[in-house]
Amino acid sequence: GNSVTQMEGPVTLSEEAFLTINCTYTATGYPSLFWYVQYPGEGLQLLLKATKADDKGSNKGFEATYRKETTSFHLEKGSVQVSDSAVYFCALSDQGSQGNLIFGKGTKLSVKP
Amino acid sequence: NAGVTQTPKFQVLKTGQSMTLQCAQDMNHNSMYWYRQDPGMGLRLIYYSASEGTTDKGEVPNGYNVSRLNKREFSLRLESAAPSQTSVYFCASSGMGGRSGNTIYFGEGSWLTVV
Repeated sequence: GNSVTQMEGPVTLSEEAFLTINCTYTATGYPSLFWYVQYPGEGLQLLLKATKADDKGSNKGFEATYRKETTSFHLEKGSVQVSDSAVYFCALSDQGSQGNLIFGKGTKLSVKP
Repeated sequence: NAGVTQTPKFQVLKTGQSMTLQCAQDMNHNSMYWYRQDPGMGLRLIYYSASEGTTDKGEVPNGYNVSRLNKREFSLRLESAAPSQTSVYFCASSGMGGRSGNTIYFGEGSWLTVV
């Protein structure tokens, strides 16, 4: 079945460091891919998405490119801020169940000043 | 702009008690979902509703029931709560589901503890 694997956390970085959170997926067909962010005590918010191969999603300085050849959707940001501290979830749309999202386990990011 | 609203935000139950989590969305979305979030497990789908009048089981439906009351509302019921149901519950909705890239919008979560 469809699945998402993302790097285990927690990840601790200093402010202005470069961020990469790896995400790979297994899926049949052509799913859409998403990154969601969860700030402490809050629900999930869409960070960015890509709907087809080679698409690049971007938002708030974060980027991820849909790589079909490597089945990956790695999240990157060139210079993280303390306010980026959160849990990040990679997800794909499960076309077999009305578009339900299959989530990775989440990666907790802590950014120190 | 309320989006997805779920209640209650916090609840403590005794084993065997019942309760209903309420969810409403004001985005005129067709699809609605209930997820649970457990440490180290990510989010797992409990039930979903592709449209008014239909519901389907997700990955972890045991111990839960749902009702799609109308297009706006989708409730989750625990008939006899168990400690294993201690979790954070998220309601979500989507216009056409994620299959076409449409975004799924989440509520703020309901923290449920079963003692």
